[in-house]
Amino acid sequence: DTEVTQTPKHLVMGMTNKKSLKCEQHMGHRAMYWYKQKAKKPPELMFVYSYEKLSINESVPSRFSPECPNSSLLNLHLHALQPEDSALYLCASSRRASDFGNTEAFFGQGTRLTVV
Amino acid sequence: AQKVTQAQTEISVVEKEDVTLDCVYETRDTTYYLFWYKQPPSGELVFLIRRNSFDEQNEISGRYSWNFQKSTSSFNFTITASQVVDSAVYFCAHTDTGRRALTFGSGTRLQVQP
Repeated sequence: DTEVTQTPKHLVMGMTNKKSLKCEQHMGHRAMYWYKQKAKKPPELMFVYSYEKLSINESVPSRFSPECPNSSLLNLHLHALQPEDSALYLCASSRRASDFGNTEAFFGQGTRLTVV
Repeated sequence: AQKVTQAQTEISVVEKEDVTLDCVYETRDTTYYLFWYKQPPSGELVFLIRRNSFDEQNEISGRYSWNFQKSTSSFNFTITASQVVDSAVYFCAHTDTGRRALTFGSGTRLQVQP
C-alpha cells in the first residue's frame, strides 16, 4: 500500500467557518508534510512533521493549524480563512525527514479548497 | 539558497514525438538531491525519479530517460515516443540534507496531441 489518502477531495467554506483537512498513510512513514498549491503554480511547503512533532513551519498564518495525532494521521485545521487561501492542499509522507533526500515523498490527491 | 528553474512553461507535441523537459538547479551544497514528479489533472504528484549529487549516471526507464550533468547544473527529462497519457504538469524538485523537504521548480505543462 503506497497510498496517501486525503479527505475531503473538495471543500467549500465560508470565511467564518471552521473546517479540517485529513491525511492518512499506512506505509509506516514517520515524516508528513502539508503543501499548498495555487492554480498554475508549484506546490509550496507549509509544514513538516517528523516523528509526530512539528519540525518546520514555513511562516504560515495562524489561521492554518496543523496537528499530527499519531504516526499515520495528519490534520490541517482551518479557521477564518480568506478567499486568497483557496488552493489545492497536498499532503505527503516519506520514510523519515532526516534522510529525506534518500527516499521519495508520496503525495495524496489533495483537497481542493474554495473559500467564499 | 536553493533554486530550480524550469524555463519551459508549456510544451505541445504530437503523439510519438520525443520531448525533453529542461531543469536547471542552483545550490551551494555538495550533497543534494534532485527529483522529477508528474502531476496529472487529478492532482496528485507522482514520483518519477530521484538522483543524488554523487550519482551522475543517466537513467532510462521505458520511454523515460534522465540526463544529469553537474557541469551544467542540469537534470533534464526526455520522453521518447510521447503518448496522450503523458499529458501533465512535470515538476523538477530539489532538496539537500539541511532542508529536508522538496523545493519545486515552476513546472512544465506538457500537452500531447493525438
